[in-house]
Amino acid sequence: SQTIHQWPATLVQPVGSPLSLECTVEGTSNPNLYWYRQAAGRGLQLLFYSVGIGQISSEVPQNLSASRPQDRQFILSSKKLLLSDSGFYLCAWSQGPGYEQYFGPGTRLTVT
Amino acid sequence: GDSVTQMEGPVTLSEEAFLTINCTYTATGYPSLFWYVQYPGEGLQLLLKATKADDKGSNKGFEATYRKETTSFHLEKGSVQVSDSAVYFCALIDSGTYKYIFGTGTRLKVLA
Repeated sequence: SQTIHQWPATLVQPVGSPLSLECTVEGTSNPNLYWYRQAAGRGLQLLFYSVGIGQISSEVPQNLSASRPQDRQFILSSKKLLLSDSGFYLCAWSQGPGYEQYFGPGTRLTVT
Repeated sequence: GDSVTQMEGPVTLSEEAFLTINCTYTATGYPSLFWYVQYPGEGLQLLLKATKADDKGSNKGFEATYRKETTSFHLEKGSVQVSDSAVYFCALIDSGTYKYIFGTGTRLKVLA
């Protein structure tokens, strides 16, 4: 069966510091991968999605970036964090466009 | 574009009460519809889905029927438990972009 992992689970970082969040999927190949952010008490905002290695689509212009160095690995990065980057970051995968998405456990990021 | 509207929460019920969480959608075509559940501090879990009109999705005592005529996908459960306390998200897949459109979520609190 397929599983999706995210780490770290929680992170506290000062403003201006870099960020790297990692997501990996097991048990499937060539998944579509997604990064979402969930601000406190709010819905989900799609940040990036990827249909293959090295293929990244950005939904929201901001100081975050994403990369997909391997088929089942998706990384969310920032060179300099802002206070507004605080939130709950969720990675998800699907078999392809139009299929249901399955979410990871999330990373709670607090920027201080 | 496509959109999803959920009833605002929080919804507070006593244990064994009947639950309805309303969800209506606006879409071109006939999108697949989903309910997700998010327990505190966790990622989203797919609860149930329906892919065409009159389909009924069900899981763990929860049900929702895809109603084309009313563009609705209301979530129901006959007898809620304290363990059902969570945030519930209605979602659809935009048939043009294949992206998820989420509702804002409805918080359910079940009291013993």
